[in-house]
Amino acid sequence: NAGVMQNPRHLVRRRGQEARLRCSPMKGHSHVYWYRQLPEEGLKFMVYLQKENIIDESGMPKERFSAEFPKEGPSILRIQQVVRGDSAAYFCASSLDLSSYEQYFGPGTRLTVT
Amino acid sequence: DAKTTQPTSMDCAEGRAANLPCNHSTISGNEYVYWYRQIHSQGPQYIIHGLKNNETNEMASLIITEDRKSSTLILPHATLRDTAVYYCIVASSDYKLSFGAGTTVTVRA
Repeated sequence: NAGVMQNPRHLVRRRGQEARLRCSPMKGHSHVYWYRQLPEEGLKFMVYLQKENIIDESGMPKERFSAEFPKEGPSILRIQQVVRGDSAAYFCASSLDLSSYEQYFGPGTRLTVT
Repeated sequence: DAKTTQPTSMDCAEGRAANLPCNHSTISGNEYVYWYRQIHSQGPQYIIHGLKNNETNEMASLIITEDRKSSTLILPHATLRDTAVYYCIVASSDYKLSFGAGTTVTVRA
């Protein structure tokens, strides 16, 4: 059973470009969470999605960031017009259902904005 | 969610038990204590969680004080692969995990 997959593992973007980060949850998991880890800081919750629904986006910056989890395919975290402050590791996690206490994390995507 | 306090770092000898303390004096009745760890350059890994009672699984044991204001994660026989940052998290919501600075544990041969 493959774990949570994220790609790309490393992404370099120039200021003003768009970044698309993909996450495939574990097989059978329908709950996806995105977290951001800024340099030298702990992970911070960004958004929680179920298939075709955003359940909680209280941790998402108000502008330039969006997330989706379509019926088919991976979850996508999209960052428009990236700035240097967006440089961070972005982790995706999945769980079987809301009552599951275990979140399974992917290896992360390290975004560098130059 | 309640705030947690952990030591910044600790060393442990390989093969010995590692006891990781966590203070959460403002924990409320419906909040659980979770432990995750993050090995360098990897995503966090769930270890264990508890509400009131002590818990044990194949990875670790969790001891929660009777007043629930502190807890200890025990790695019974630390190996070099246990070197990681260990996060103690208190949360009432299952999904909104907030990771602090954690404890950097270095297991030495």
